[in-house]
Amino acid sequence: GENVEQHPSTLSVQEGDSAVIKCTYSDSASNYFPWYKQELGKGPQLIIDIRSNVGEKKDQRIAVTLNKTAKHFSLHITETQPEDSAVYFCAASGEGRDDKIIFGKGTRLHILP
Amino acid sequence: NAGVTQTPKFQVLKTGQSMTLQCAQDMNHEYMSWYRQDPGMGLRLIHYSVGAGITDQGEVPNGYNVSRSTTEDFPLRLLSAAPSQTSVYFCAIRGSSTGELFFGEGSRLTVL
Repeated sequence: GENVEQHPSTLSVQEGDSAVIKCTYSDSASNYFPWYKQELGKGPQLIIDIRSNVGEKKDQRIAVTLNKTAKHFSLHITETQPEDSAVYFCAASGEGRDDKIIFGKGTRLHILP
Repeated sequence: NAGVTQTPKFQVLKTGQSMTLQCAQDMNHEYMSWYRQDPGMGLRLIHYSVGAGITDQGEVPNGYNVSRSTTEDFPLRLLSAAPSQTSVYFCAIRGSSTGELFFGEGSRLTVL
């Protein structure tokens, strides 16, 4: 089955700097890669996703890149702000309605003032 | 978290007791799932369902039962609770068009 590795487990960056979180996956059949943000006491929420037919996707300060050959994908947050402090999860899945979504272990991001 | 309702939000059990975590949705999505979240372990899939009458195992199914008699409800049953099942449990539904998972607010379970 699919296995998703996520690094680092904890990341501290100065406010205004960039943050990068990296993930690798094992199943070459996976073609949908979402990223979720979890704030304290809440359920995770989707912030961006990418499908295997594109290599990069941007949404304001957030971008995701995908390298299918190497089976890794990354989340980039630029100009970090205090509200970016949260736990971030990467995940991998097929796109079929029956396909389960497998998550990495998460990265706790701290934005330092 | 609109559309996915989990109950109860908090529960304390003794070892060996049974209980059911409830999950209800009003978005008419076929796909429903249960995850558990433990420190340092991320979100691990317990069971999932792609429609009424269909269930399948995830990464960590042992000790849990599920059933799916309606589109709206997907209860998770612990038949004999163990301390290793102390966790935060999330129910999530998946949109068929976008693939996005919508999570409930979570249920914190403590087994003594």
